[in-house]
Amino acid sequence: QKEVEQNSGPLSVPEGAIASLNCTYSDRGSQSFFWYRQYSGKSPELIMFIYSNGDKEDGRFTAQLNKASQYVSLLIRDSQPSDSATYLCAVSRGLSGGYNKLIFGAGTRLAVHP
Amino acid sequence: NAGVMQNPRHLVRRRGQEARLRCSPMKGHSHVYWYRQLPEEGLKFMVYLQKENIIDESGMPKERFSAEFPKEGPSILRIQQVVRGDSAAYFCASSPPGSLERALNFGPGTRLTVT
Repeated sequence: QKEVEQNSGPLSVPEGAIASLNCTYSDRGSQSFFWYRQYSGKSPELIMFIYSNGDKEDGRFTAQLNKASQYVSLLIRDSQPSDSATYLCAVSRGLSGGYNKLIFGAGTRLAVHP
Repeated sequence: NAGVMQNPRHLVRRRGQEARLRCSPMKGHSHVYWYRQLPEEGLKFMVYLQKENIIDESGMPKERFSAEFPKEGPSILRIQQVVRGDSAAYFCASSPPGSLERALNFGPGTRLTVT
């Protein structure tokens, strides 16, 4: 079993729709959860992070965390063609040992079509 | 306020040659993480270093790979006798000492191609 699992996609949604990206993780000791966006040939850029169960909203993005189900998701409202990218889910045990080791999923490719 | 810098951005090596990848952390940062991304895959942790110390190298291949972060100068990821399977994007991230910042911000990466 992979430590962090994501559906590879592609997830295809029409412009203006809600895109829903999902991620499950195996380590129950995980404390911090991150979503990164990566355009082809570029480095990952942080979109959101979440530490507590529930929802966290930032503009068009909402992260949802359910530690009991070991599940984290990212919703993108009003999807735009510029949102087309690979979305990487990452988890961490937090600052145990004094540093923050992120474990990444393989990513979900999102395609937003006009 | 420059971010994490990596060079070269692209590196081509023939099989058997050595590759040296450099990472300059953000100003004031003394912790460096290296990750590797194979084509169509997510990022894999390789090593975490502080100045002059390797703290966690659990993701480093046992042979041919080494990393350092000297007191002065950038962090170096060194790959000896490269093989085609080493072709990947290598990303570096940094964080300040004693930081509660949990997210990592990555540099632009070095894309290594082994011919």
